[in-house]
Amino acid sequence: EAGVTQFPSHSVIEKGQTVTLRCDPISGHDNLYWYRRVMGKEIKFLLHFVKESKQDESGMPNNRFLAERTGGTYSTLKVQPAELEDSGVYFCASSQSLGGLDGYTFGSGTRLTVV
Amino acid sequence: GEDVEQSLFLSVREGDSSVINCTYTDSSSTYLYWYKQEPGAGLQLLTYIFSNMDMKQDQRLTVLLNKKDKHLSLRIADTQTGDSAIYFCAENGGGYQKVTFGTGTKLQVIP
Repeated sequence: EAGVTQFPSHSVIEKGQTVTLRCDPISGHDNLYWYRRVMGKEIKFLLHFVKESKQDESGMPNNRFLAERTGGTYSTLKVQPAELEDSGVYFCASSQSLGGLDGYTFGSGTRLTVV
Repeated sequence: GEDVEQSLFLSVREGDSSVINCTYTDSSSTYLYWYKQEPGAGLQLLTYIFSNMDMKQDQRLTVLLNKKDKHLSLRIADTQTGDSAIYFCAENGGGYQKVTFGTGTKLQVIP
């Protein structure tokens, strides 16, 4: 079974530019999550999709961040315009069951550097 | 909001036991997890414990949960150099789908 795939693995962009991160969850996993770890701090929740619907987007920092999951398969997270404080590692995770019984399968993350 | 705290760094000698501690604030946590992140890799679920359990053992890993004190620990017996990684404590606030993570503890194993 393929795991959670994230693309790109690294991205370096200039302040003010736009970047789009992609996540392909495990096939059949309805739940998809985005998390972010900034500068060695804790990993913070951004949002949760159930299929194509946003179940919880309380962790999205501001309106420069837009997440989509058209068709309930892969998801994209767009940052526009990027700011320096957006630098960090963005993790995607997926799960099949509700309540985290099986834990969450994480991707390797996208390391975003805004210069 | 929910808060999960861990010490940032732990250094042990190969063959010794490692104990990584975590405290959390959410009394409604249903599951508590330990994740491992090796350099350049994603987060790997090591083990989890249901909140009505006190202890769970899985080979070299022992998880202890003190629900009264909201304290979770991970003991790694016979620590190996391959155990060097960042270990994240996390909790799933009962009924909610999002997981709250700690800052991670970097475990360094000295040969």
